[in-house]
Amino acid sequence: DAMVIQNPRYQVTQFGKPVTLSCSQTLNHNVMYWYQQKSSQAPKLLFHYYDKDFNNEADTPDNFQSRRPNTSFCFLDIRSPGLGDAAMYLCATTQTLNSYEQYFGPGTRLTVT
Amino acid sequence: DAKTTQPTSMDCAEGRAANLPCNHSTISGNEYVYWYRQIHSQGPQYIIHGLKNNETNEMASLIITEDRKSSTLILPHATLRDTAVYYCIVRVAYNNNDMRFGAGTRLTVKP
Repeated sequence: DAMVIQNPRYQVTQFGKPVTLSCSQTLNHNVMYWYQQKSSQAPKLLFHYYDKDFNNEADTPDNFQSRRPNTSFCFLDIRSPGLGDAAMYLCATTQTLNSYEQYFGPGTRLTVT
Repeated sequence: DAKTTQPTSMDCAEGRAANLPCNHSTISGNEYVYWYRQIHSQGPQYIIHGLKNNETNEMASLIITEDRKSSTLILPHATLRDTAVYYCIVRVAYNNNDMRFGAGTRLTVKP
């Protein structure tokens, strides 16, 4: 049973054209995270939502925004994608901030042309 | 920056135990050791975690040295499906947004 779902799995966008990636969860978890993983690199946390509270990592570019309209859904918006934003974007969830296990989705691979 | 050091890659024969080491010499008293793995083109998957005692679950065993400066993840009977990148992460238990992935170890299980 899918628990953390990311759509689409593959996304192609043009340089400078806004793009939105989607994440949904069936776990009813309070916390949702977005990670960026560039080719052959480790995942890097961009930001997270604890319920409706948004928490940005200090080094996350302003070009990246997020929305969480309800418990189940979280969106990653890239306002003006550059070639350097091509990456796998991973969504994860936990029940609380001190839960020991993060549940990851399969990721969305973003290509910028 | 990640607080751990792992070998870049390792090979293991199918059916044999895979022992993946991790150094975390600057670990603090309230930090746990977590292991995740990432199979190609999938999201990371939680394996196990521990503070100072050895831990075992259905997937693996975690051996933490007495001084807590290093640990070893053991997959007792590796299969081809265990081929993945294995990440060792140290963080405090109450702060999930402190998940700093290092470069990890690419484990290849060979027939």
